[in-house]
Amino acid sequence: AQSVAQPEDQVNVAEGNPLTVKCTYSVSGNPYLFWYVQYPNRGLQFLLKYITGDNLVKGSYGFEAEFNKSQTSFHLKKPSALVSDSALYFCAVNYGNMLTFGGGTRLMVKP
Amino acid sequence: EAQVTQNPRYLITVTGKKLTVTCSQNMNHEYMSWYRQDPGLGLRQIYYSMNVEVTDKGDVPEGYKVSRKEKRNFPLILESPSPNQTSLYFCASSWTSGSPYHEQFFGPGTRLTVL
Repeated sequence: AQSVAQPEDQVNVAEGNPLTVKCTYSVSGNPYLFWYVQYPNRGLQFLLKYITGDNLVKGSYGFEAEFNKSQTSFHLKKPSALVSDSALYFCAVNYGNMLTFGGGTRLMVKP
Repeated sequence: EAQVTQNPRYLITVTGKKLTVTCSQNMNHEYMSWYRQDPGLGLRQIYYSMNVEVTDKGDVPEGYKVSRKEKRNFPLILESPSPNQTSLYFCASSWTSGSPYHEQFFGPGTRLTVL
């Protein structure tokens, strides 16, 4: 069975600093990895995905993620955080016909 | 506007009173799914549907039913709700059918409280 772990419940960063939200996964075969963001009282929005190819994936709102097969990780990054990036972030792996999510990481960006 | 809609957005009910949460998408997506979101557990998949009349259990199907009679609609049915089904529910859809790498589009959520 597939699984996803987000080891940090919350990440705090100052505006303008780089941010990283961590994700590790476990799946048999090729992983299809996703990041979603959830703003307060909203549904989830797709940020980016890794299917195959380049290990560095670029997505919406200046976010990118680095796929590392040997470490089974798919960390979300952004070079310069904005206060408006404060939200709940979910990593997910798609295997077969099912999407499995991590527990979520709350990102707090302080001015 | 391309979207997934859910109704109702908020619902307070009592134990044992049957309820239905509707979900509809206007993107002609083949795949639809229901999730529940609980603090610290992320989202867990309840049921999914690959196409009309094709449904399958997710990770937490107990106490729920679904049907897919039309491509655009995928209602979630709780025939005898219990307090442990108090949660935030999301419907989602995507192009996926035999292909696992399409992102999913999520509805706005339904906050259900079972007393």
